[in-house]
Amino acid sequence: DAKTTQPTSMDCAEGRAANLPCNHSTISGNEYVYWYRQIHSQGPQYIIHGLKNNETNEMASLIITEDRKSSTLILPHATLRDTAVYYCIVVGGADGLTFGKGTHLIIQP
Amino acid sequence: DSGVTQTPKHLITATGQRVTLRCSPRSGDLSVYWYQQSLDQGLQFLIQYYNGEERAKGNILERFSAQQFPDLHSELNLSSLELGDSALYFCASSGGKDTSYYGYTFGSGTRLTVV
Repeated sequence: DAKTTQPTSMDCAEGRAANLPCNHSTISGNEYVYWYRQIHSQGPQYIIHGLKNNETNEMASLIITEDRKSSTLILPHATLRDTAVYYCIVVGGADGLTFGKGTHLIIQP
Repeated sequence: DSGVTQTPKHLITATGQRVTLRCSPRSGDLSVYWYQQSLDQGLQFLIQYYNGEERAKGNILERFSAQQFPDLHSELNLSSLELGDSALYFCASSGGKDTSYYGYTFGSGTRLTVV
């Protein structure tokens, strides 16, 4: 019972901004949107999370639409090391993190 | 280094055997989570412990068990191993009971191969 929908794969040129979309049309008011990434066989790495407002940190920006039904993760200047599977996860309260299949982002030189 | 330590990094064992995977959470974190990642299943949540007590259970087989000790480290015990148990096992930790307010920090995993 997936709460999010993400494209299976995306390409982006090195140095460009990578924009990864995520649909979460059934999100509830108290549920957060989390983004993690997993670089081949390593442990998943936390990127960013948000509730309603847009968020930015040293790794990325998270843009959440006003109706909260979708969001976009932005990696401003993608490098080859950003090639990974990116997971968008909706979670609230006592729920654990449930990983879907994510988006395989490939950064092209 | 994420601060979450998992040992061993690699483990090769025979079918029918029993193994124990160990996880030390990040300093100050009270919750420990175990995940299994096999090629065809993706990341599957197994179990969560909070401050020594089981808090949530996912798709954990009866042959698998876990515990969290007073010093907050956790062990995942896998018994009567089958070829299909070959996978990466990740441990994660967080500061609180609920995920909404605390992200998880993952360890680098234990790769289990059952032959």
